[in-house]
Amino acid sequence: KQEVTQIPAALSVPEGENLVLNCSFTDSAIYNLQWFRQDPGKGLTSLLLIQSSQREQTSGRLNASLDKSSGRSTLYIAASQPGDSATYLCAPQLRGGSEKLVFGKGMKLTVNP
Amino acid sequence: GAGVSQTPSNKVTEKGKYVELRCDPISGHTALYWYRQSLGQGPEFLIYFQGTGAADDSGLPNDRFFAVRPEGSVSTLKIQRTERGDSAVYLCASSLSVGGLTDTQYFGPGTRLTVL
Repeated sequence: KQEVTQIPAALSVPEGENLVLNCSFTDSAIYNLQWFRQDPGKGLTSLLLIQSSQREQTSGRLNASLDKSSGRSTLYIAASQPGDSATYLCAPQLRGGSEKLVFGKGMKLTVNP
Repeated sequence: GAGVSQTPSNKVTEKGKYVELRCDPISGHTALYWYRQSLGQGPEFLIYFQGTGAADDSGLPNDRFFAVRPEGSVSTLKIQRTERGDSAVYLCASSLSVGGLTDTQYFGPGTRLTVL
C-alpha cells in the first residue's frame, strides 16, 4: 500500500528564503507525481506534475525533482513570499490500472513578511 | 475556460438523511475522481470514472456510498443514511486522460458536508 510522508508537518520562515519541501513515498511504481497547494477552506491547486521518466520540472519560482527509485520528491520554492503561505501536498499517481492519487497530510507553510 | 465546479459548496444534514453532491468536470475531460478530506488530513480516494463507468470504486467506505456519471460528464456522489463520521470535505477532480496517458488532475473547490 502506497504511503506518503511529508516532513516537517509545518514550517514558518521569513520572506525571501529559498525553501525545500520534502516528500517520500513507499511504492516506486508510479506514473507521475503531482504537487498541489491548498489554501484554507479551498480546493487543491495543481502546481507541477512530474512524469516518472523525468527528473525535474520547473514553473516560475517552483522546481520539483523526482527520484523514483528512492521514493523521494522535493519541491523548491525560490525567494519565498507571504502569498506562498498555504498547505503543500504531494501525491504520486499509482500504476496498475487505477489512476488515483495518494496523498500525505501535507506541509503547512507560513511565510512571514 | 471554466474549471471543475461542485455544488452545493456547503451541506448541513441530520444523521440518517440522504444527500447528493454534484460535480461538473472540465469540458472534454474523460476521467473523473472523487476524494474525501477530513480535517487535518490529505484527501483520500473514493472512486474513479473513465467515461460513464466506474473504473475503480475501491475507496468507497461502505455500501451507503454510491456514485454515478450517466452521460460521461456530470457526476453525483450519493450518501444514504448519513452518519456523523461522514462529515468531511468532498473533492472532485477531472483529467484529460487521453489514450491511457495520465495527466494533471484538476480539483474543484469541494463540498463541505456536516452531519449533525
